[in-house]
Amino acid sequence: GNSVTQMEGPVTLSEEAFLTINCTYTATGYPSLFWYVQYPGEGLQLLLKATKADDKGSNKGFEATYRKETTSFHLEKGSVQVSDSAVYFCALKSGGYQKVTFGTGTKLQVIP
Amino acid sequence: DAGVIQSPRHEVTEMGQEVTLRCKPISGHDYLFWYRQTMMRGLELLIYFNNNVPIDDSGMPEDRFSAKMPNASFSTLKIQPSEPRDSAVYFCASSFSGPNSPLHFGNGTRLTVT
Repeated sequence: GNSVTQMEGPVTLSEEAFLTINCTYTATGYPSLFWYVQYPGEGLQLLLKATKADDKGSNKGFEATYRKETTSFHLEKGSVQVSDSAVYFCALKSGGYQKVTFGTGTKLQVIP
Repeated sequence: DAGVIQSPRHEVTEMGQEVTLRCKPISGHDYLFWYRQTMMRGLELLIYFNNNVPIDDSGMPEDRFSAKMPNASFSTLKIQPSEPRDSAVYFCASSFSGPNSPLHFGNGTRLTVT
């Protein structure tokens, strides 16, 4: 079956530090990959996505590259801000199924 | 686009009472999902619908839980009778069909059963 593995959190960084949140996956076929972000008291919202190998998704300074050879989709940002503090979820959709497989989430805290 | 709308935002009830959570998906979306989020178990898919028809309810924890989608713009999740272990945040999400279509989540209903 499909699965998504994310690095354990919480991750605490100082403002302007470089961020990497690791994500690896197992899936049948060629999945589409997503990063969602959840701010306190809100639902998850799409941050970025990539739909085929070597695609790079980007949004709000965040980037992730679909690496088929390593089955990874690591999230990166060059300079984090306090406002980036949230929980980040890696996810995939595979084949003809509409169910989304989520990772367990990684909490990021950015301190001034 | 108003997004996915859930009500109520907060619900506090006593054990044994019936609870009904409501969701209005984004217009035009043909898939609707109900999720539950807790610290211990993370994000769990309870049930999802396609064109108002339930497709997979294998995540519904017990017969106390039921979900309906009487039309394309409304869905309910009912718990009867409620128990303290049902306390969680319940999310509704909708999407278009297709492997590249992301989920759009509501802001959730925080349920507390005392």
